[in-house]
Amino acid sequence: SAVISQKPSRDICQRGTSLTIQCQVDSQVTMMFWYRQQPGQSLTLIATANQGSEATYESGFVIDKFPISRPNLTFSTLTVSNMSPEDSSIYLCSVERPDDGQLYYGYTFGSGTRLTVV
Amino acid sequence: LAKTTQPISMDSYEGQEVNITCSHNNIATNDYITWYQQFPSQGPRFIIQGYKTKVTNEVASLFIPADRKSSTLSLPRVSLSDTAVYYCLVDSSASKIIFGSGTRLSIRP
Repeated sequence: SAVISQKPSRDICQRGTSLTIQCQVDSQVTMMFWYRQQPGQSLTLIATANQGSEATYESGFVIDKFPISRPNLTFSTLTVSNMSPEDSSIYLCSVERPDDGQLYYGYTFGSGTRLTVV
Repeated sequence: LAKTTQPISMDSYEGQEVNITCSHNNIATNDYITWYQQFPSQGPRFIIQGYKTKVTNEVASLFIPADRKSSTLSLPRVSLSDTAVYYCLVDSSASKIIFGSGTRLSIRP
């Protein structure tokens, strides 16, 4: 399956600043997904990033707060802008696992970025 | 997108077989059933996937009845290292996947 490298693995940031999280995949993928996981909670989809087009955001998430770049088929960034303590979460990227013939094999996730806003 | 329902938490002991059931009444014809495992401070990890009947791999078995409205993840002879959150999802290729609440499994010595 695809290998995802996500950076940074963790960061502590001051409120009002922005952090850009990088997601690098070792193979070309059509779609990349960004999730947020608040402490003790399940994963919430933030947006879907396709190469060559604007990201599609889920309800409750807006581009001004979470701008996403997708410059090529192996890389994406998520920026958390104008951070507040409520943005303290784990942010994860995900890609579809490569198919084996016609089968669909679910998704691979990065190890996440643990963000603490103080 | 199909909604899944699974128990919030389960407890078991080392060496026991653990079965986690998930209901997905509105599963679509082209949806697969996929289970993920998540340890603290890690992203979810793919465990097993099935479409119908039974699937077995080195980690688990997945039982899916004919109507596909539910599925059961079976973990044989669990150990302490199986303590994790287990997510049941229904989805298809090229679709975004939406996570439910998951089942927090705790294994005791």
